[in-house]
Amino acid sequence: DVKVTQSSRYLVKRTGEKVFLECVQDMDHENMFWYRQDPGLGLRLIYFSYDVKMKEKGDIPEGYSVSREKKERFSLILESASTNQTSMYLCASSPKLGGANIQYFGAGTRLSVL
Amino acid sequence: SQQGEEDPQALSIQEGENATMNCSYKTSINNLQWYRQNSGRGLVHLILIRSNEREKHSGRLRVTLDTSKKSSSLLITASRAADTASYFCATDARGAQKLVFGQGTRLTINP
Repeated sequence: DVKVTQSSRYLVKRTGEKVFLECVQDMDHENMFWYRQDPGLGLRLIYFSYDVKMKEKGDIPEGYSVSREKKERFSLILESASTNQTSMYLCASSPKLGGANIQYFGAGTRLSVL
Repeated sequence: SQQGEEDPQALSIQEGENATMNCSYKTSINNLQWYRQNSGRGLVHLILIRSNEREKHSGRLRVTLDTSKKSSSLLITASRAADTASYFCATDARGAQKLVFGQGTRLTINP
């Protein structure tokens, strides 16, 4: 089974802190994604990566950056956390385009910025 | 931009009844998928239907796709308490590697 692991289930940070959310997948998938999920807004794509050191902006990249130094790991960085970044963050991975494009999700990180 | 719109936003039924959720989308798609999310957890893939398919079954799940109306429905038959979750449709445009998710339907099964 595919396993996508997010480093923390719950995280509490202060405004202005630099925050790292880590995601690791064990199925050698090329594609990795970061979403945030807010009530009434569904899942919104922040960034995605289709290869090591490659990244593409999603729908809401402002205030975020990402890093993909190794194929299995995709990090989401909040350079200076703000209260409006309090949310549930979901990481996902999928095999290279050409397959069924099914995404496999981690359990999520609930981030609170105080 | 969210492509999928789901209807209803919330649905509450008795155990044993059937549950139907609908999804509409705006652009041409390669395939449409349905995912389930238990409270506070990640999403889990349920079923995928390709744009050239009209109906697909998996256990108690039945998915239909009408590309002329740009809509899909998910039917869960003989519901169980364990089916209580949020259900999301997701589409990928032709050639795209990302999915666009609907806002989800929150399903509650009452014992």
